[in-house]
This record gives sequence, structure tokens and C-alpha cells, in this order.
Amino acid sequence: EVQLQQSGPEVGRPGSSVKISCKASGYTFTDYVMNWVKQSPGQGLEWIGWIDPEYGSTDYAEKFKKKATLTADTSSSTAYIQLSSLTSEDTATYFCALTGSSYYFDYWGQGVMVTVSS
Amino acid sequence: EIVLTQSPTTMAASPGEKVTITCRASSSVSYMHWYQQKPGASPKPWIYDTSKLASGVPNRFSGSGSGTSYSLTISSMETEDTATYYCQQWSSNSPTFGAGTKLELK
Repeated sequence: EVQLQQSGPEVGRPGSSVKISCKASGYTFTDYVMNWVKQSPGQGLEWIGWIDPEYGSTDYAEKFKKKATLTADTSSSTAYIQLSSLTSEDTATYFCALTGSSYYFDYWGQGVMVTVSS
Repeated sequence: EIVLTQSPTTMAASPGEKVTITCRASSSVSYMHWYQQKPGASPKPWIYDTSKLASGVPNRFSGSGSGTSYSLTISSMETEDTATYYCQQWSSNSPTFGAGTKLELK
């Protein structure tokens, strides 16, 4: 059974960075691209970017190119997203999600709430 | 970026009523995917490749469409269908989502 287990809630001060994780199990980690999706409170879904764990290649939505950094550790089957220069606009829930061959998000993590507060 | 416009934004349906949610794309897309999200939960894949039901999705749900116009239909509304539904495309370089349709019980 595919599972994506994300780390716990984070609180970050304005201007700081946070790094959240997504530990994958139930499949071969390097076989699928890992995506990250943002959901601001009471709002819709925004795609942040993806990482190919096998090659380390990444792609980002234009809006997040200076905000997010995606990495992956194949030894622990864990994907990470680091959010930098935090502002109140970054307060949101962040999901990791797998993409298969049909280009939709077929497995999701439980989400991590990031709160930016001084 | 392909913009997806969902309508309606919010709607209420009575048990047994037929429900249709529409998703229009700013440019033609090959497929449309749909997700169901309930409060406090992750989105669940619901319909993929325009018309294929994800695992466990009741067959009262269906999807259709092509080009720039797609829809999700519930043939007979049930209480458990109360949720927000999002459409999503990945025909362009970047995937995008619609803003969501909140479906409530009347």
C-alpha cells in the first residue's frame, strides 16, 4: 500500500525558513515523480513543483521559483520542501502527492500546516 | 498557464437530485481530472482521464467533456457526496486546478 507520511505542523517567524518532509513507502521511491501542492486557508489548490527522485531534476511553478526548494533522499525514500523568506502569504497546508503516467495526483500525504507568525 | 474556471462556486442539492459541475479551460486540454476534498482531509482522486472513476468511487459519479469544457455529474445526490470538488489539468507544462465547487446538502 502506497503511503506518504508527512512531518508535523511548523511555525516559522517572518523571514525565516522551514523544511518539511514526506516519507514514502509501499512503492519504489525512484519510480515516480513527487509533487508539492499548497492550500491556503479556505482556498483552493496550487501546484508548487515536482522532483524526480531518481535524477534529482526539478520543475517549479513560476510563482514558487524563489520560494520553494525541492529535494529528495533516496536512501530514506523521503522528499523535502524548504520554504524560504517566510511571509504571512506562506501560511498554508502543504501536501506531497505522487503523479503517475496519467498526470494526475493519485496519492496524497496528509498535509502539513505551516503557520508564519512572529 | 491554463486557467480552469469551475461553476458553480457553491451549490446545494437535495438527496436524489442530479448534480452537474462544470470546468472550463482557457485553452484546449487533453484530459481533465477531478478530486473530492472534505474538511480537514487531503484531496482524493475522484475521476481521472476525464471519465474514469478512481478506486472506490460510486458509479453514480461520471465525468465527460473534451477540448475546453468538462463536467462531473452525480446522477443521484447522496449525503456523503457533500464536499468540495476540484478539476485539474496537466496538458500544459504546469498543472493547474480549478477554484473548487462546494457541494452542500439541501
